[in-house]
Amino acid sequence: KQEVTQIPAALSVPEGENLVLNCSFTDSAIYNLQWFRQDPGKGLTSLLLIQSSQREQTSGRLNASLDKSSGRSTLYIAASQPGDSATYLCAVKGSQGNLIFGKGTKLSVKP
Amino acid sequence: NAGVTQTPKFQVLKTGQSMTLQCAQDMNHNSMYWYRQDPGMGLRLIYYSASEGTTDKGEVPNGYNVSRLNKREFSLRLESAAPSQTSVYFCASSEVPAGGLGELFFGEGSRLTVL
Repeated sequence: KQEVTQIPAALSVPEGENLVLNCSFTDSAIYNLQWFRQDPGKGLTSLLLIQSSQREQTSGRLNASLDKSSGRSTLYIAASQPGDSATYLCAVKGSQGNLIFGKGTKLSVKP
Repeated sequence: NAGVTQTPKFQVLKTGQSMTLQCAQDMNHNSMYWYRQDPGMGLRLIYYSASEGTTDKGEVPNGYNVSRLNKREFSLRLESAAPSQTSVYFCASSEVPAGGLGELFFGEGSRLTVL
């Protein structure tokens, strides 16, 4: 059974710092991996989608990497801003089509 | 851009009452999903519809029923609500069927409390 783990559960950094969020999964047979952002009391907003054949995707200050063989993905946020404060979730789509979510990393960027 | 719209946003029920959560998407997506989100449990799939006319169980389907009314709308029904169904419910949609590679788009969530 696919399991997705995100460490750490919470992270607090000063504004301007570059940071990395981690996501690991137990079954490397995935179709894709998606990173989401969730603000308090809101739905999930898709940030980046990496297909299984890709190694990374970039959008603005965000860069997501995928290493299927080691079962890991990282989300790199450059020059963090207070507006980046949110919970970040990763999800993998496996062979049965379901998206399996991690429990998220709650990020706080202090001014 | 409405995207995925859920109603109601908040609901309080008594144990045993029934209700239906409504979801509509305007992106012409084929696939739609219902998730629940609970503290410490993450997001779990309740039911999904790979295409109009089909529905399938997800990870936690017990106590729920769904209807794919048309391509736009996918409803979730609680026939006899229980306190364990207190949760935040999210509807989502994607362009391709569940086995494909589509990006998932979420609604704002429906917060349900069962007393």
